[in-house]
Amino acid sequence: KQEVTQIPAALSVPEGENLVLNCSFTDSAIYNLQWFRQDPGKGLTSLLLIQSSQREQTSGRLNASLDKSSGRSTLYIAASQPGDSATYLCAVPQGGSEKLVFGKGTKLTVNP
Amino acid sequence: DTAVSQTPKYLVTQMGNDKSIKCEQNLGHDTMYWYKQDSKKFLKIMFSYNNKELIINETVPNRFSPKSPDKAHLNLHINSLELGDSAVYFCASSQEVGQGLNYGYTFGSGTRLTVV
Repeated sequence: KQEVTQIPAALSVPEGENLVLNCSFTDSAIYNLQWFRQDPGKGLTSLLLIQSSQREQTSGRLNASLDKSSGRSTLYIAASQPGDSATYLCAVPQGGSEKLVFGKGTKLTVNP
Repeated sequence: DTAVSQTPKYLVTQMGNDKSIKCEQNLGHDTMYWYKQDSKKFLKIMFSYNNKELIINETVPNRFSPKSPDKAHLNLHINSLELGDSAVYFCASSQEVGQGLNYGYTFGSGTRLTVV
């Protein structure tokens, strides 16, 4: 059974800092890994999707890496801004299914 | 143009009532899902449909019944609502491109259900 863990659970940083969010998963036989952002009271916004054959994906100030063999992914946010404040969720499919398993998220607060 | 849209956004109802949540996606995806986010913000899958066929059914009370009239729509009907059903329900869709690969999941904005 796939389990996803995200560390830290919460993070507070001053504006401008670079930061790393961590995600680990127990079953390395994944097809892809997806990072989402959730703002309070809102839905999930997809940030980055990494297929199993890829090692990283970049979008603007965000960079996500994937190390399947060790069951880890990191989301790097450069030059953080207050608008980056949200909960960041990591998710992977379970086994060969379409069932997406989520971590509990990292709540990020960027202070002006 | 909203990719995955859910209605209603908010739903407040009394215990024992029956209610439905509707979901539509205009992405042409084959697979649609219902996820539940509980009070601790943890997201868990409830159901998945592929081309109108149920493929995932987690341990969900049979008071919850999904219905997919076509591959662009997946509705969730809940009978005899209980206090513990209060949560945010998210619809999502994805498109498999073969050998388990897909272009990722697209989520709707959620329906906040409050049972009083």
